[in-house]
Amino acid sequence: ETGVTQTPRHLVMGMTNKKSLKCEQHLGHNAMYWYKQSAKKPLELMFVYSLEERVENNSVPSRFSPECPNSSHLFLHLHTLQPEDSALYLCASSQEGGRGRGELFFGEGSRLTVL
Amino acid sequence: AQSVSQHNHHVILSEAASLELGCNYSYGGTVNLFWYVQYPGQHLQLLLKYFSGDPLVKGIKGFEAEFIKSKFSFNLRKPSVQWSDTAEYFCAVNPYNQGGKLIFGQGTELSVKP
Repeated sequence: ETGVTQTPRHLVMGMTNKKSLKCEQHLGHNAMYWYKQSAKKPLELMFVYSLEERVENNSVPSRFSPECPNSSHLFLHLHTLQPEDSALYLCASSQEGGRGRGELFFGEGSRLTVL
Repeated sequence: AQSVSQHNHHVILSEAASLELGCNYSYGGTVNLFWYVQYPGQHLQLLLKYFSGDPLVKGIKGFEAEFIKSKFSFNLRKPSVQWSDTAEYFCAVNPYNQGGKLIFGQGTELSVKP
């Protein structure tokens, strides 16, 4: 039990589908993040939501759309993805917000396969 | 651009061998430093962290890391590895209190043979 729950754990979708990944944190933290983990590559920050700011990595394609309705929930909406978007998508939270020291608590990830 | 470099991509050791995994970063200012571990099929979890003070930090499961500011390094060590240490290890840097906007290395896969 990590305190950060991601659903679904596995998702297979076609390039024309629309799907969403969900993340919920039960730690009382005030910042949430999406990271992308691809094989043999460093984890890549995609989005940050905190009380202070929303940050986007400018290299993330617009086919990824985040939504953060409150401090406990984070979504990643997916549409018209490409096969190269297949990866493990990790949600994380932190208690110090967007200007803290960076200690993250990760979920188990959503394994996405785009056909 | 800021980056984190982990020198070893895959390390294979026998049980009881000593471990040192290298991590160097490219950022000249104040940093917070982390090692995360990902056991097979499990989530990323914090192994240890350095914010300030004693540059030798101890983490869980007998791991320690040393921050050498002049070398921009934060190497991970364990005197005697166990089979259960088989995992992927990630070094991460947080430049100047940038919250969770960590810069990760590409990871080192450690395989420990029983």
